[in-house]
Amino acid sequence: NAGVTQTPKFQVLKTGQSMTLQCAQDMNHNSMYWYRQDPGMGLRLIYYSASEGTTDKGEVPNGYNVSRLNKREFSLRLESAAPSQTSVYFCASSDGVPGLAGTTDTQYFGPGTRLTVL
Amino acid sequence: AQSVTQLGSHVSVSEGALVLLRCNYSSSVPPYLFWYVQYPNQGLQLLLKYTTGATLVKGINGFEAEFKKSETSFHLTKPSAHMSDAAEYFCAAILMDSNYQLIWGAGTKLIIKP
Repeated sequence: NAGVTQTPKFQVLKTGQSMTLQCAQDMNHNSMYWYRQDPGMGLRLIYYSASEGTTDKGEVPNGYNVSRLNKREFSLRLESAAPSQTSVYFCASSDGVPGLAGTTDTQYFGPGTRLTVL
Repeated sequence: AQSVTQLGSHVSVSEGALVLLRCNYSSSVPPYLFWYVQYPNQGLQLLLKYTTGATLVKGINGFEAEFKKSETSFHLTKPSAHMSDAAEYFCAAILMDSNYQLIWGAGTKLIIKP
């Protein structure tokens, strides 16, 4: 049982390049999330998916796209990377439905991807 | 706007001393509250959470937190700090009057002095 896995662990891009961050979970969770973590700013939600086939914007979606490929996998794509997207990216999953009254579920996090955009 | 505030971006304590990390939320309705821990170069993991019932919640590694409605607080404590507690700690809340979205605090880095 690997939990939440992310690839790659590290990546360096030049401005304007594109890349896709991969995330997979083996806990049969309904919901998946992409966050970015920057010093002093905590976690900021980029996109989330409450179920296969649905995605919704979070707090900072500009410059990103996502795909919920199936129940297990949720990818994050940077079409044209910018230095402001230098950050640590975390994928998470949970069993509940975000935004649903009564949801108290725990989120399970991957180990993160450290992305540098030059 | 609804928010979660953690007082102090860095907290330093001596090994064996009391750990107190502060978290306050702004909401007129009691939320669900969480503390997560992030060890260096790792993802976050749940320490403990409060949903309903007993206001003193015990978590892993000897940590506990108390929900105080009158103070809108959910401070994290541990009686005796250990070197292995050095990490960043995040408070988060599901606020009923914020569309039940999970809102994160900015994090507090706990430094343990030998």
